[in-house]
Amino acid sequence: GENVEQHPSTLSVQEGDSAVIKCTYSDSASNYFPWYKQELGKRPQLIIDIRSNVGEKKDQRIAVTLNKTAKHFSLHITETQPEDSAVYFCAARYNNNDMRFGAGTRLTVKP
Amino acid sequence: EAEVAQSPRYKITEKSQAVAFWCDPISGHATLYWYRQILGQGPELLVQFQDESVVDDSQLPKDRFSAERLKGVDSTLKIQPAELGDSAMYLCASSLRRTGRDTIYFGEGSWLTVV
Repeated sequence: GENVEQHPSTLSVQEGDSAVIKCTYSDSASNYFPWYKQELGKRPQLIIDIRSNVGEKKDQRIAVTLNKTAKHFSLHITETQPEDSAVYFCAARYNNNDMRFGAGTRLTVKP
Repeated sequence: EAEVAQSPRYKITEKSQAVAFWCDPISGHATLYWYRQILGQGPELLVQFQDESVVDDSQLPKDRFSAERLKGVDSTLKIQPAELGDSAMYLCASSLRRTGRDTIYFGEGSWLTVV
């Protein structure tokens, strides 16, 4: 089945710096790659997603890139703010609709 | 904005007791999921429904876990008997259709502590 690996497990940046989280997946049939942000004790919330027919998508300070050949995708957060501090999960979905999540990255943005 | 509703938010139960969680997906969403999230890990799929039918329960520990969605709307996840290792957050989620690209929306989750 699909296997999603996420790195790093923790990331600490200074406010205003950029943060990059990377994920790899194993099933080349995967065609949908969402990123979720989860604050302590709360639900995972979708922040951005990318489908297999595009290589990059941007929404204000957040961008995601997808390299289908290498089977990896990345989340980029620019101009980080303290409220960006949370756990971020990548996920990959393949044709039978089972979405697999990475283990998560705890991002801390220091003021 | 429509949300996935779950209850209870918090549940403490003793080992070997039964516990049940309820979920009401976003109106019109045909696909419903139950995930388990252990602290510090990503969500893991337990069971997926398309309308009232189970389409994937390969990761559901069927000796103690059961799930149903009788009318294709709300759903119940039951654990009987509960074990210490079942302590986790149980997340319900829904999506519009059973396609590979529909956004999955999560509920607030039900925290279970087994003592």
